[in-house]
Amino acid sequence: KAGVTQTPRYLIKTRGQQVTLSCSPISGHRSVSWYQQTPGQGLQFLFEYFSETQRNKGNFPGRFSGRQFSNSRSEMNVSTLELGDSALYLCASSRDRGYEQYFGPGTRLTVT
Amino acid sequence: GENVEQHPSTLSVQEGDSAVIKCTYSDSASNYFPWYKQELGKGPQLIIDIRSNVGEKKDQRIAVTLNKTAKHFSLHITETQPEDSAVYFCAAIGDTGRRALTFGSGTRLQVQP
Repeated sequence: KAGVTQTPRYLIKTRGQQVTLSCSPISGHRSVSWYQQTPGQGLQFLFEYFSETQRNKGNFPGRFSGRQFSNSRSEMNVSTLELGDSALYLCASSRDRGYEQYFGPGTRLTVT
Repeated sequence: GENVEQHPSTLSVQEGDSAVIKCTYSDSASNYFPWYKQELGKGPQLIIDIRSNVGEKKDQRIAVTLNKTAKHFSLHITETQPEDSAVYFCAAIGDTGRRALTFGSGTRLQVQP
């Protein structure tokens, strides 16, 4: 069974630009959550989507947004990039919302 | 909201020894406690989890214990091997309606051959 896939794996952007990251969940998983990982703040919850609806949102500014498609694939978007947005962005999928979340390899975003 | 504290931040053991990592949580309504292993360049890997209606769970060399009264849970790794070297994270789901994992700060485990 294929795991969670994330594309691209690495990304370099300039301040002020926007970026879109993609996540394909494990087959049969309808819940997709996004997390940001940084050395200073650790792993922090961004948002969760289930059945194409955002169910939860973490404490991040409105520049961070996402969506989920009918096939459960999800994208997250960050607009007006700031240097502090440099991080590893992780996507996790689960069959039962929140429980047994399986992570992808992440997208390493560097903002210069 | 939920707060999860994890210690130690680093742990070095000899191959074959046991390793124990401890976490405390703040929300008494928390009901799900997973542990993740993260190797360099990879995403966190779910290695074991426990729900609040269970006190202990084992899977080969790995075990997790939960003390709901004291609001803490621990990861036990026996007969450690060099391939166990990684960063380990504990997590909890606090508000059952929110279904978002709150993570501890991580423990870097090094197993010396």
